[in-house]
Amino acid sequence: GENVEQHPSTLSVQEGDSAVIKCTYSDSASNYFPWYKQELGKRPQLIIDIRSNVGEKKDQRIAVTLNKTAKHFSLHITETQPEDSAVYFCAASRGGTSYGKLTFGQGTILTVHP
Amino acid sequence: DVKVTQSSRYLVKRTGEKVFLECVQDMDHENMFWYRQDPGLGLRLIYFSYDVKMKEKGDIPEGYSVSREKKERFSLILESASTNQTSMYLCASRNTGYLAGANVLTFGAGSRLTVL
Repeated sequence: GENVEQHPSTLSVQEGDSAVIKCTYSDSASNYFPWYKQELGKRPQLIIDIRSNVGEKKDQRIAVTLNKTAKHFSLHITETQPEDSAVYFCAASRGGTSYGKLTFGQGTILTVHP
Repeated sequence: DVKVTQSSRYLVKRTGEKVFLECVQDMDHENMFWYRQDPGLGLRLIYFSYDVKMKEKGDIPEGYSVSREKKERFSLILESASTNQTSMYLCASRNTGYLAGANVLTFGAGSRLTVL
């Protein structure tokens, strides 16, 4: 089955700095890669996703890049703010009816210091 | 807004007890899922259901079963709870199709289970 590795496990940055979280996956058939953010005590929520026919996707201060050849994808957050502090999870799945059968990474605790 | 409601936020059970975790969604989603969340391990899929009365094992189904008799409700059952099942359990639902927002997992608030 799919295996997703996520690094780093913790990340501490100063407000205004950039943050990068990296994930690798093992199943070459995976073609859907979402990122979820979980604030303390709250449920995970999708922040951005990318499909394998796209190399990069941006949404305001966040972006995701995908390298299918190397089987890795990354989340980039620019101009970090304290409200970006949360646990971030990457995930991967195959398409079709397997979209929801996500395999998640271990999570990254991001702390943004004012 | 899609709402996924988990009936119990906190439960404390004893080893060997039968435990029911209930999840209800109100947006007519076809797919429903149960994940387990543990620190350092991320979210791991226990079981999922494509539709009513349909279920499929996820990555860690041992010690669990599920029931989906109605479209809106997906129950996770621990037949005989053990201490290693102490965890946060997250239910999620997903609609299918091609409209914006399709294929996005909507999670419930979670049920924190402690087995003594």
